[in-house]
Amino acid sequence: DAGITQSPRHKVTETGTPVTLRCHQTENHRYMYWYRQDPGHGLRLIHYSYGVKDTDKGEVSDGYSVSRSKTEDFLLTLESATSSQTSVYFCAFRDRGTNEQYFGPGTRLTVT
Amino acid sequence: DQQVKQNSPSLSVQEGRISILNCDYTNSMFDYFLWYKKYPAEGPTFLISISSIKDKNEDGRFTVFLNKSAKHLSLHIVPSQPGDSAVYFCAASLLIGNQFYFGTGTSLTVIP
Repeated sequence: DAGITQSPRHKVTETGTPVTLRCHQTENHRYMYWYRQDPGHGLRLIHYSYGVKDTDKGEVSDGYSVSRSKTEDFLLTLESATSSQTSVYFCAFRDRGTNEQYFGPGTRLTVT
Repeated sequence: DQQVKQNSPSLSVQEGRISILNCDYTNSMFDYFLWYKKYPAEGPTFLISISSIKDKNEDGRFTVFLNKSAKHLSLHIVPSQPGDSAVYFCAASLLIGNQFYFGTGTSLTVIP
C-alpha cells in the first residue's frame, strides 16, 4: 500500500458542471502529480505541486485547476466539464529519496 | 511533442520465453528512467529503474538496458509468466527536475 488514495473512484457528470477530484497521501511527500490516461496517449501530466500552495502546469493543463492547501491533499478541479475530459485520472507522489513515483488507484470520470 | 515513445502498442509472448519491451526518448538531458506496470482498474506500479550512469540494471526476472547513444531503453522479462500480462509504461526524468515523461504504453500478453 503506497499510502495514497483518490476519491471518488468513479464519477459520471454532465457537460458544463464543475467537478473536483481529491488525492490524499499519508506520507508527507512534497511532490504530487495529476495525470490523465487515455488510449493512445499513455499518461499525460495535467498539473503538479512541489509544496503547499506551490503548483505548476503540465502538458495538458487547459480546463483544469489544482489546489494544495495541505501537504496531504491535492485537489484537481474541472471548472466546467467537457466530454473531452472523459478519462481515467491518476494522482501520484514522488519519493525524493528513491526518485520514484507512486500512484493512486485512479478515478474514472465520464462526462456526458 | 512526445519526448518518450513506445512504438509497439502490444506484444504477445509464450509463457517461459523472453519478453522485450522497447522505449525511445528524444531529450538527451534525461538522466533517470523507469518502467511501470499497470493492471486494469489499478494505478501504475513501479517495476525497475536505471540512471544514466549505468547501462544495465537487473532485478530478478526483470532487466532494463539503457543505450544512451541511441536514446533507447528496453525491458527484458525472463522467463515470462502469465501474471506479467499488463500494460508497461516507460518514463524518463531529470534527477534535478520535477516532471516525469511517460510513453504511451505497451500491452503485454503472456500466453500460457
